[in-house]
Amino acid sequence: SAVISQKPSRDICQRGTSLTIQCQVDSQVTMMFWYRQQPGQSLTLIATANQGSEATYESGFVIDKFPISRPNLTFSTLTVSNMSPEDSSIYLCSARQRLSTDTQYFGPGTRLTVL
Amino acid sequence: AQKITQTQPGMFVQEKEAVTLDCTYDTSDPSYGLFWYKQPSSGEMIFLIYQGSYDQQNATEGRYSLNFQKARKSANLVISASQLGDSAMYFCAMREDTGRRALTFGSGTRLQVQP
Repeated sequence: SAVISQKPSRDICQRGTSLTIQCQVDSQVTMMFWYRQQPGQSLTLIATANQGSEATYESGFVIDKFPISRPNLTFSTLTVSNMSPEDSSIYLCSARQRLSTDTQYFGPGTRLTVL
Repeated sequence: AQKITQTQPGMFVQEKEAVTLDCTYDTSDPSYGLFWYKQPSSGEMIFLIYQGSYDQQNATEGRYSLNFQKARKSANLVISASQLGDSAMYFCAMREDTGRRALTFGSGTRLQVQP
């Protein structure tokens, strides 16, 4: 199994600022993902974080707004840039140890409120 | 097109009774995986159970079982002997083994267990 930690666990930010969320996995994993969960909604995939290369973004998400880094097999960051109140969500990091495996783990999430 | 459909926004069950949460999916990929997660009010995503498309038997994990009907493209979660602590949101998700291999989530079902 993999244990995932995220920092910060929550934050309240001002409009127009940026926040970087860190995701640390306790073991090497093949795949890492970032999801967003807007209030009362399901999880939506933002991007797949690729180790040593640019992330793969889903439709509706762009690198300028959500830059992602993944420098190694255990760590990734997501930045939410130029925030607006519509960015208020839970942001979840997720990891899978192999390409096709029976478990995908999630971090505890980062609750972001933008004023 | 919606790939994962959960038609029950909310469900009630009496403590100690069994409950079935519905999930249907749509894919043309012959290889895929189906997942169920529990999300309590704390926001963490707790992995419950997994079913692979080639698995011959229905998956079971303690009080959780997955009623997998491949021809009908359904993957219902059965919780036996419900407990008050089972009250939470439950999400069904699918991973297709081609393409980006990320999880796609349904809209969720809120389960409330009544004493």
